[in-house]
Amino acid sequence: DARVTQTPRHKVTEMGQEVTMRCQPILGHNTVFWYRQTMMQGLELLAYFRNRAPLDDSGMPKDRFSAEMPDATLATLKIQPSEPRDSAVYFCASGLQGASSNQPQHFGDGTRLSIL
Amino acid sequence: GEDVEQSLFLSVREGDSSVINCTYTDSSSTYLYWYKQEPGAGLQLLTYIFSNMDMKQDQRLTVLLNKKDKHLSLRIADTQTGDSAIYFCAESGGSNYQLIWGAGTKLIIKP
Repeated sequence: DARVTQTPRHKVTEMGQEVTMRCQPILGHNTVFWYRQTMMQGLELLAYFRNRAPLDDSGMPKDRFSAEMPDATLATLKIQPSEPRDSAVYFCASGLQGASSNQPQHFGDGTRLSIL
Repeated sequence: GEDVEQSLFLSVREGDSSVINCTYTDSSSTYLYWYKQEPGAGLQLLTYIFSNMDMKQDQRLTVLLNKKDKHLSLRIADTQTGDSAIYFCAESGGSNYQLIWGAGTKLIIKP
């Protein structure tokens, strides 16, 4: 089965360090989403790309977070500098959006991030 | 803005049917989804229904959609311990492909 692959699965680092999370979407999918999940806020959409172009990053703190798609097989989410409140599980999802129908989003297993 | 609401917990006995409910506000929803999240894992797509359908059945899963009341339900027949998870309802409206998510319902199975 095709899967969304996220690395690393777990990351523990100290406050102030740069964190980079990577995502390989399902081959052929044209949309990529970054979500953050916490107990308090639930699932929040951070950013959304279609055909590698950022369409919406309004959910992302601009001063420290950045999201890019260097190519169709790789999406990255960076936090610099990281803060303890960034501790969460970060999910990447991909899907295929077409002119006449949208396919469901498929999720990776997430990166569990702990900032000390 | 648009909203999706779910109960936070549901407790059922093993072997019984589970019914997880969801209400939404966006009348332009085109697709409605159910995802399952097991501990430490990502969200797994269970099933989805197009807004012009009333019902969809897939093995032990039955999805019912009442578009007039903006109510979606997921019925799991013969609930097993492996069904223990958090179930998320989500809806998509408009053309931007973003989903509006419920907070998730934790399904607890009693022996």
